[in-house]
Amino acid sequence: AQSVTQPDIHITVSEGASLELRCNYSYGATPYLFWYVQSPGQGLQLLLKYFSGDTLVQGIKGFEAEFKRSQSSFNLRKPSVHWSDAAEYFCAVGAGQAGTALIFGKGTTLSVSS
Amino acid sequence: GAVVSQHPSRVICKSGTSVKIECRSLDFQATTMFWYRQFPKQSLMLMATSNEGSKATYEQGVEKDKFLINHASLTLSTLTVTSAHPEDSSFYICSARGGDRGSSQYFGPGTRLTVT
Repeated sequence: AQSVTQPDIHITVSEGASLELRCNYSYGATPYLFWYVQSPGQGLQLLLKYFSGDTLVQGIKGFEAEFKRSQSSFNLRKPSVHWSDAAEYFCAVGAGQAGTALIFGKGTTLSVSS
Repeated sequence: GAVVSQHPSRVICKSGTSVKIECRSLDFQATTMFWYRQFPKQSLMLMATSNEGSKATYEQGVEKDKFLINHASLTLSTLTVTSAHPEDSSFYICSARGGDRGSSQYFGPGTRLTVT
């Protein structure tokens, strides 16, 4: 069965430091992979997505993610974190036809310290 | 672009009553809309998938007679929670996907339902 694992429940990073959020997936075919960010009480905003091609994907707000098939991973990175990046981050894999139905990980809460 | 709205943002209703939540795609035609439920500090769980003009497909364990979904147009889907109980209290989020937007889903801001 398809699944997404985000090993880190909560991460604290100093402002200006680099960030990496981990995501591992289990999927039988070539996955469609997504990262979303959710601020408190809000819906989800798409940060970036991977469908095919270049395994290093650039997203909004300075985020990037790298698809590594051999490790079944799709980790999210940012070179320098800003206080406004504090939020909940969800990794998701697209299942079903054309990757429509999304399966989400449990999320990682990012706190940014000054 | 790719804006999805939900109304209301918050609703409080009494046990036994029904409540309707609207999801609208504002600047694109959504051939498919999804409804998710999110419990506090937890991930999103897909409840159902609806395609315009056809019946919704519900995920296992989701009561279709309790959570009525209507996708009457390419820009509007509604979720009606019937005979609400306190355990239905949750954060409900819709998303929409249009054919000209690839396979990405765009999410609404969510609706906080509290059943007293």
